[in-house]
Amino acid sequence: EPEVTQTPSHQVTQMGQEVILRCVPISNHLYFYWYRQILGQKVEFLVSFYNNEISEKSEIFDDQFSVERPDGSNFTLKIRSTKLEDSAMYFCASSEGLAGRGEQFFGPGTRLTVL
Amino acid sequence: GENVEQHPSTLSVQEGDSAVIKCTYSDSASNYFPWYKQELGKRPQLIIDIRSNVGEKKDQRIAVTLNKTAKHFSLHITETQPEDSAVYFCAAPPREMDTGRRALTFGSGTRLQVQP
Repeated sequence: EPEVTQTPSHQVTQMGQEVILRCVPISNHLYFYWYRQILGQKVEFLVSFYNNEISEKSEIFDDQFSVERPDGSNFTLKIRSTKLEDSAMYFCASSEGLAGRGEQFFGPGTRLTVL
Repeated sequence: GENVEQHPSTLSVQEGDSAVIKCTYSDSASNYFPWYKQELGKRPQLIIDIRSNVGEKKDQRIAVTLNKTAKHFSLHITETQPEDSAVYFCAAPPREMDTGRRALTFGSGTRLQVQP
């Protein structure tokens, strides 16, 4: 069964550094998402992406964040200047187009630790 | 935006008993309600979902009920087993699915512990 994959599984960085988290969505999916989960808390929506542009973003997704689909398979989340409070698990998800059930499939996550 | 409230935050049951987790939502336009199970350190995995054109859906030991008038939906697990122990999240999208905007707003989670 196809799965969403993410790399790296764990990223440790110094405050102020840039990080790029990578995701490979399921190949026939058209909608892509980033969520984050601070340890012990709920999953929070960051941004959704469709047709090579952001379709929706939350208030968490400020100017320090950006997303890109650099090729036909990868979907990336960049944090330009990390802060301590960016430490969290970041999940990528994807779903089919409008004709699909709408189920969002989550990747295994990248644990980001900002020191 | 959508606001999803979930309770209880923790639930402990004996193996074989039933467990019920409840969620309320605020956006009356929401029409898709998934439930995710998250084991420790793992990704959220969809276990069941329901659309607003039905009131109940069942899949073996799990079921979801939806009351659109009251804007709440519930997860029911019967004959619980130790492997059901996990954190369960409800979710709802903030607007009509058909717009393609499907960002999910998650509830705060319920930690279910099934005692053998």
